[in-house]
Amino acid sequence: KQEVTQIPAALSVPEGENLVLNCSFTDSAIYNLQWFRQDPGKGLTSLLLIQSSQREQTSGRLNASLDKSSGRSTLYIAASQPGDSATYLCAVKREETSGSRLTFGEGTQLTVNP
Amino acid sequence: GAVVSQHPSWVICKSGTSVKIECRSLDFQATTMFWYRQFPKQSLMLMATSNEGSKATYEQGVEKDKFLINHASLTLSTLTVTSAHPEDSSFYICSGRANYEQFFGPGTRLTVL
Repeated sequence: KQEVTQIPAALSVPEGENLVLNCSFTDSAIYNLQWFRQDPGKGLTSLLLIQSSQREQTSGRLNASLDKSSGRSTLYIAASQPGDSATYLCAVKREETSGSRLTFGEGTQLTVNP
Repeated sequence: GAVVSQHPSWVICKSGTSVKIECRSLDFQATTMFWYRQFPKQSLMLMATSNEGSKATYEQGVEKDKFLINHASLTLSTLTVTSAHPEDSSFYICSGRANYEQFFGPGTRLTVL
């Protein structure tokens, strides 16, 4: 059974700092890994999706890396802003079938202080 | 990205009543939709996978007679919480699959008094 762990559970940083969020998964046989952002009381916004054959994806100030063999992914946020404050979730998909589910981590709650 | 809507965004009901939540894919066709439940400070837990035109597949521990799912078209799936009780109070999120990604709705906050 796939298990996804995110460290740290919570993180508070001053504005402008670069930071790294960690995600690990127990079963390396994944199809892809996705990072999401969730604001309080809201749904999920997809940030980055990395296919199993890829090593990283970038979007603006965000960079996500994937090391499938070691079961790890990191989300790097450059020059953090107060608007980045949210819960960040990573999720892995085992296979590319219509019913293949996402397994989520518990999330990292990020607070960026002005 | 693809857009998924949910209605209502929040609902308060009395214990014993039934509540229907709609999930629509606005700009894509979703042959598969997923329903999740999220309790405070916890991550999303998959409840069921809904395939258009067929019966939903429920996760272990989720009562299919309590959480009725209908996926009648490629753009609409509904979740009905029957005879709701206070322990059913939660945040319900649906997701539709487009290409290789899942896109999530904004969620429905259900409070059962």
